[in-house]
Amino acid sequence: KAGVTQTPRYLIKTRGQQVTLSCSPISGHRSVSWYQQTPGQGLQFLFEYFSETQRNKGNFPGRFSGRQFSNSRSEMNVSTLELGDSALYLCASRPLAGGASSYEQYFGPGTRLTVT
Amino acid sequence: AQKVTQAQTEISVVEKEDVTLDCVYETRDTTYYLFWYKQPPSGELVFLIRRNSFDEQNEISGRYSWNFQKSTSSFNFTITASQVVDSAVYFCALSEARNTGFQKLVFGTGTRLLVSP
Repeated sequence: KAGVTQTPRYLIKTRGQQVTLSCSPISGHRSVSWYQQTPGQGLQFLFEYFSETQRNKGNFPGRFSGRQFSNSRSEMNVSTLELGDSALYLCASRPLAGGASSYEQYFGPGTRLTVT
Repeated sequence: AQKVTQAQTEISVVEKEDVTLDCVYETRDTTYYLFWYKQPPSGELVFLIRRNSFDEQNEISGRYSWNFQKSTSSFNFTITASQVVDSAVYFCALSEARNTGFQKLVFGTGTRLLVSP
């Protein structure tokens, strides 16, 4: 099975702009979660989607949003970019079925966003 | 609130040495999951293991072994006969296991392991 894919892998944006990141989960996985990784704050949960609905959200401002499509692919959007949004954004998928293994999240390679 | 502490920021060893990465967690949940992930320089988080809170049996997978002790809220990871390819940042993580279906991983700050030839 192909792993989680994320596009683009690298992105450079200017303060005030907006950005959209894309994630394709492992085939058959219905849940997609997003995490932000920075040197200062570490790995932090952004949100989780399944059945095209946001199910859980971390402590991030409303500038961070996302959506999930019927094929389970997901996008996240950051509006009005700030310098502090520079980070590695990681997407993870899990199957939702299969007992305890449904809680195993598999991560993509990430999108490295630089805001200048 | 849930919390994961990885007190070791960086560990350096020479190839073939054994190394243990420590993980201590805090949670009020009676049922939860613990995980270890490896992050090589490429950036992708690689899933290594999941442990259920009700299963304290230790696990061994090749050169990797995990010691889960509920009494001390610890879930330590040992690499036996380390190799250069083991060089990476290792993260311990915790999530609740309620029937809501939601899941949020709470990560520790990671331990950078450097294995020298």
